[in-house]
Amino acid sequence: EAGVAQSPRYKIIEKRQSVAFWCNPISGHATLYWYQQILGQGPKLLIQFQNNGVVDDSQLPKDRFSAERLKGVDSTLKIQPAKLEDSAVYLCASSRTGGTEAFFGQGTRLTVV
Amino acid sequence: AQSVTQLGSHVSVSEGALVLLRCNYSSSVPPYLFWYVQYPNQGLQLLLKYTTGATLVKGINGFEAEFKKSETSFHLTKPSAHMSDAAEYFCAVDNTDKLIFGTGTRLQVFP
Repeated sequence: EAGVAQSPRYKIIEKRQSVAFWCNPISGHATLYWYQQILGQGPKLLIQFQNNGVVDDSQLPKDRFSAERLKGVDSTLKIQPAKLEDSAVYLCASSRTGGTEAFFGQGTRLTVV
Repeated sequence: AQSVTQLGSHVSVSEGALVLLRCNYSSSVPPYLFWYVQYPNQGLQLLLKYTTGATLVKGINGFEAEFKKSETSFHLTKPSAHMSDAAEYFCAVDNTDKLIFGTGTRLQVFP
């Protein structure tokens, strides 16, 4: 089966610009996660969707980050405006409803200059 | 709240030597525990997981981990390291259907 697809793989933007990342989860996976991985740290959960509803967005900086999951399938994560500290790898993952194994995409490496 | 502590941000071993990566967890309920591996510029790949049952869990690539409730540990081992094992390893605990990760351990393997 196809894995979790993310695009773009790499993105360089200037601070105060906006950027968007796209994720297509594994077919049939109801749960979708966005994680932020800063260099030298473990992934940190930003937001969790169950179908097209938000389950947990307690660690999402809502003043600049937004995410949506249209029709319970694809998802986009947006940052506007970007700050230098947003430089990180953004990982998307998906799992079956109620499942505990998450499958990860290759990530998008964002560099804010 | 659940959390994970990985002891040692870097571990270096010689090819053929034992690999031991340490992970301790904190959880108020019986935990689900995971080890993931991340190769450069790649996403995370599941190595193994513990949910219930047998406390010694075998995973891919010859890795295994033992859940020790009394020590709140879930250390990852491999009897003989291979050059291809060089990567970043993350321990994680499941917190109501979401993963909480440790800070990672970078494994270097020398010939």
